[in-house]
Amino acid sequence: EDQVTQSPEALRLQEGESSSLNCSYTVSGLRGLFWYRQDPGKGPEFLFTLYSAGEEKEKERLKATLTKKESFLHITAPKPEDSATYLCAVLRFYGNNRLAFGKGNQVVVIP
Amino acid sequence: DVKVTQSSRYLVKRTGEKVFLECVQDMDHENMFWYRQDPGLGLRLIYFSYDVKMKEKGDIPEGYSVSREKKERFSLILESASTNQTSMYLCASGSSNQPQHFGDGTRLSIL
Repeated sequence: EDQVTQSPEALRLQEGESSSLNCSYTVSGLRGLFWYRQDPGKGPEFLFTLYSAGEEKEKERLKATLTKKESFLHITAPKPEDSATYLCAVLRFYGNNRLAFGKGNQVVVIP
Repeated sequence: DVKVTQSSRYLVKRTGEKVFLECVQDMDHENMFWYRQDPGLGLRLIYFSYDVKMKEKGDIPEGYSVSREKKERFSLILESASTNQTSMYLCASGSSNQPQHFGDGTRLSIL
């Protein structure tokens, strides 16, 4: 069974204090790994797709990386508007197009 | 930009009522999904559809049914609402190998 584990569950950062979120996965053949951002009371918003180990994607203060067992979302010099829950999901090669989601990393950036 | 629209942001219903949640996407995606999201449990897949009139059960289909009569529209039906179906419901759409895009959710309360 596919498993996606995100850590830490919750993180409080001072504005400007860089950190990383971890997404560990176990899947029989990875077709893609997705990162989403979710604000309270809203649906997840797509951030990045990573397809193969060694791949990196960047958007503003966020950078996502992928290895064969895990993905990291690095937040560089965060601002209060980066406060959100970040979700990781994996898509496997075999079967249908179902995603397996982790439970999320809740990030609060304090001014 | 992909747009996934859910018919209601907030909904309050009574136990035993039949409840319809509607979702429309504007990107001609073949796949559509219904999730519920509860604190501590993350996103759980209820049903999904990979084509018009086609459906497959997700992880928690009991008490729910779905309908997809047109490609752009996917409906979730609570046959006889119960209090344990109080939750945030999220609809998503996507193409194969591509990220799913989410609506803003319907917060459903069953009294």
